[in-house]
Amino acid sequence: QVTLKESGPVLVKPTETLTLTCSVSGFSLNNDKMGVTWIRQPPGKALEWLAHIFSNDEKSYSTSLKSRLSISKDTSKSRVVLTMTNMDPVDTATYYCATSSKYTITTFTWFDPWGQGTLVTVSS
Amino acid sequence: DIQMTQSPSSLSASVGDGVTITCRASQTVSNFLNWYQLKPGKTPNLLIYSASTLQSGVPSRFSGSGSGTDFTLTISSLQPEDFATYYCQQSYSTPITFGQGTKLEIK
Repeated sequence: QVTLKESGPVLVKPTETLTLTCSVSGFSLNNDKMGVTWIRQPPGKALEWLAHIFSNDEKSYSTSLKSRLSISKDTSKSRVVLTMTNMDPVDTATYYCATSSKYTITTFTWFDPWGQGTLVTVSS
Repeated sequence: DIQMTQSPSSLSASVGDGVTITCRASQTVSNFLNWYQLKPGKTPNLLIYSASTLQSGVPSRFSGSGSGTDFTLTISSLQPEDFATYYCQQSYSTPITFGQGTKLEIK
């Protein structure tokens, strides 16, 4: 059974860097074609895809947040880490990680399962 | 980026009603279109993938259709547990994008 769990700070100050960890079980981060995605949902707003990483270390980022995001994986610890620099109150959101797979170089599958999410508040 | 536009943004209906939510992509996504249900405090739930395939364990009153740029999610007979927010999402190309959501409320 594949499970994911997000962890990280509950509260960060404006301008700080956020570091979130997604701990996965039930599959290996070396698994061909499988990847981990980060998604967020600000309170009362829509889901927003942030980034993903695949077994071959292929990475992709949200166009609007690309300059602030970095995603990496530690296969031996079954963890994927997302960092977001220069945090702002508008970045207050529930952050989720989820798994997906690749069909081809450019196409992907759905997100399932998801982690439970972690609420991050940005405030001084 | 491919823009995903859902309509309506909110919808009021009664238990037993049938409802349809539409999702339009700004360019073709073939059948790389997925639907999710979100409830407050709960993990997002995959309902439909590849435009029309029902995820295991999802009730058959949910169905999806469409290809290219136009898609629909239909709930045939609303149950109390179906009142939630629904999102479409394209997985055709990066950056992956979601619709803005449709909030389904009890009338």
